[in-house]
Amino acid sequence: GDSVTQMEGPVTLSEEAFLTINCTYTATGYPSLFWYVQYPGEGLQLLLKATKADDKGSNKGFEATYRKETTSFHLEKGSVQVSDSAVYFCALSEGTGGFKTIFGAGTRLFVKA
Amino acid sequence: DAGVIQSPRHEVTEMGQEVTLRCKPISGHNSLFWYRQTMMRGLELLIYFNNNVPIDDSGMPEDRFSAKMPNASFSTLKIQPSEPRDSAVYFCASNQDRGFGYTFGSGTRLTVV
Repeated sequence: GDSVTQMEGPVTLSEEAFLTINCTYTATGYPSLFWYVQYPGEGLQLLLKATKADDKGSNKGFEATYRKETTSFHLEKGSVQVSDSAVYFCALSEGTGGFKTIFGAGTRLFVKA
Repeated sequence: DAGVIQSPRHEVTEMGQEVTLRCKPISGHNSLFWYRQTMMRGLELLIYFNNNVPIDDSGMPEDRFSAKMPNASFSTLKIQPSEPRDSAVYFCASNQDRGFGYTFGSGTRLTVV
């Protein structure tokens, strides 16, 4: 079945460092891909998305490119801030009848001042 | 739009009691999802509805769990009787189309003592 694998955390970075969180997926069709962010005590928020191969999703300085050849959707940010500390979830959505989404396990990011 | 609204935000109950969690999806969204999040198991899909019809309830852990969606603007998740291992954060999410991603509510933190 479909699945999402993302790098284990926690990831600890200093402010202004470069961030990469790896995500790979397996799917039988042509899924849409997403990154969600969860801040403490809150629900998940959609951060960015890409619906077809080679699409780049971007938001708030974060980027991810849909790579069909490597089945990857790695999250990157050039300069992280303390306020980026959160848990990041990679996800895919495929199929019909409700568009069920498969989430990765989440990667916790700590950014130190 | 006020987003996905869940109530209550926190619920503490004694083992054996009935618990009802409520969700109001975003107007116009035709799919609704119930998730459970714990440290040990991460984010688990319990059940989802499309156009008020349950599509997949394979994630509902036991017969003690039931969910309804009587109309497009309201859903409930009921646990009867509740047990301490049901303690978790329960999220409701809704969406319109697989390419748009989910909007999550703020969650209900359930503690069963």
